[in-house]
Amino acid sequence: DSGVTQTPKHLITATGQRVTLRCSPRSGDLSVYWYQQSLDQGLQFLIQYYNGEERAKGNILERFSAQQFPDLHSELNLSSLELGDSALYFCASSVDLSPRRTGYTFGSGTRLTVV
Amino acid sequence: DQQVKQNSPSLSVQEGRISILNCDYTNSMFDYFLWYKKYPAEGPTFLISISSIKDKNEDGRFTVFLNKSAKHLSLHIVPSQPGDSAVYFCAASGQGSGAGSYQLTFGKGTKLSVIP
Repeated sequence: DSGVTQTPKHLITATGQRVTLRCSPRSGDLSVYWYQQSLDQGLQFLIQYYNGEERAKGNILERFSAQQFPDLHSELNLSSLELGDSALYFCASSVDLSPRRTGYTFGSGTRLTVV
Repeated sequence: DQQVKQNSPSLSVQEGRISILNCDYTNSMFDYFLWYKKYPAEGPTFLISISSIKDKNEDGRFTVFLNKSAKHLSLHIVPSQPGDSAVYFCAASGQGSGAGSYQLTFGKGTKLSVIP
């Protein structure tokens, strides 16, 4: 157990629907990152939050949004889902903004299947 | 534009031999390089990192080498063990769009199989 909790582990939904993925960071970590891993792709950075504030955006679609709450848990909202959104979504956390030497701690991911 | 590339999707090695996983990058502003290991149904786990001002870092059976002029790094595992069988991701740290914040850019991964 890495200490980063993601729910649900699996999600199957239809095109056009909206889903919410949840992440609880490791205790004491203030930074939360969301990554997407599609088939045959590496981990693509989506967005970063630090202590409740958005700090950086990557290749996140406009249909996707996220937030970090006062208790530091984060939610990733995916709307108007398309088949191509099927992927593994990982949440990671770190103590600070720049975990360059020790990296992030990842959760086990949410597998989203859009049918 | 893929800034971190792992050109070998898979690698098979005999138990006890050396495993060498390779990674190339294009952005000279990356300041740290990291390797992660991932087992099925789990998230990636941090393995080892190296600063861009170093050329080697060692941790037990794992050694990472950095060649800045070639923009190339490699992970050596000696000796390889069956439990090392996993997908290995190379990642590079760079400053993102937010001031003072850094994100990791990942390669696509190399699946290592260590044969007993």
